[in-house]
Amino acid sequence: ETGVTQTPRHLVMGMTNKKSLKCEQHLGHNAMYWYKQSAKKPLELMFVYNFKEQTENNSVPSRFSPECPNSSHLFLHLHTLQPEDSALYLCASSQGGIAGWSEKLFFGSGTQLSVL
Amino acid sequence: DQQVKQNSPSLSVQEGRISILNCDYTNSMFDYFLWYKKYPAEGPTFLISISSIKDKNEDGRFTVFLNKSAKHLSLHIVPSQPGDSAVYFCACSGAGSYQLTFGKGTKLSVIP
Repeated sequence: ETGVTQTPRHLVMGMTNKKSLKCEQHLGHNAMYWYKQSAKKPLELMFVYNFKEQTENNSVPSRFSPECPNSSHLFLHLHTLQPEDSALYLCASSQGGIAGWSEKLFFGSGTQLSVL
Repeated sequence: DQQVKQNSPSLSVQEGRISILNCDYTNSMFDYFLWYKKYPAEGPTFLISISSIKDKNEDGRFTVFLNKSAKHLSLHIVPSQPGDSAVYFCACSGAGSYQLTFGKGTKLSVIP
């Protein structure tokens, strides 16, 4: 496989459920990101990891919990979400690292999340 | 208070003609600008970029123009092809930051 792979592609969950989104990149990148795209809104950065360390948390509610066990894998754990959290969640990767960041992101296809 | 604005939600162009997509930004610290393209059910893919030291960057049918004084950039596609039909996002970053600020996107439809 190449590129950035996200699973599942679609997810429907109730407000009391706990679920996780998974992302895997096969590009040898050091930085991974979670973005949220709500209807009629720009992509919003949620979390950034560089070399497995979280470097950014854009004031995201604690019901979203990221995990980055290694540079190739990124998870987003979801619990007690609200209907307004329904959105497309996109994972991305880039070079990152000590040498400097690359703004050129490689995105996965996203997980379309619906919270009922 | 959007820092990056794409004021046209949609644009229709005839095949073979030029498509011009516009983007305005407010943050004078932005110094690197990118365009991404997104097809339905896929993630955005990088298309072309430009740094603030240039005013034009060309890659095949795609050209990005930057007017720093006006805080405006545009993407020209010529000639437009039906396969160019997608949503185009403008993104900006500043001074070595890894954070990209995106616009809402413009949906381009190229009519055969």
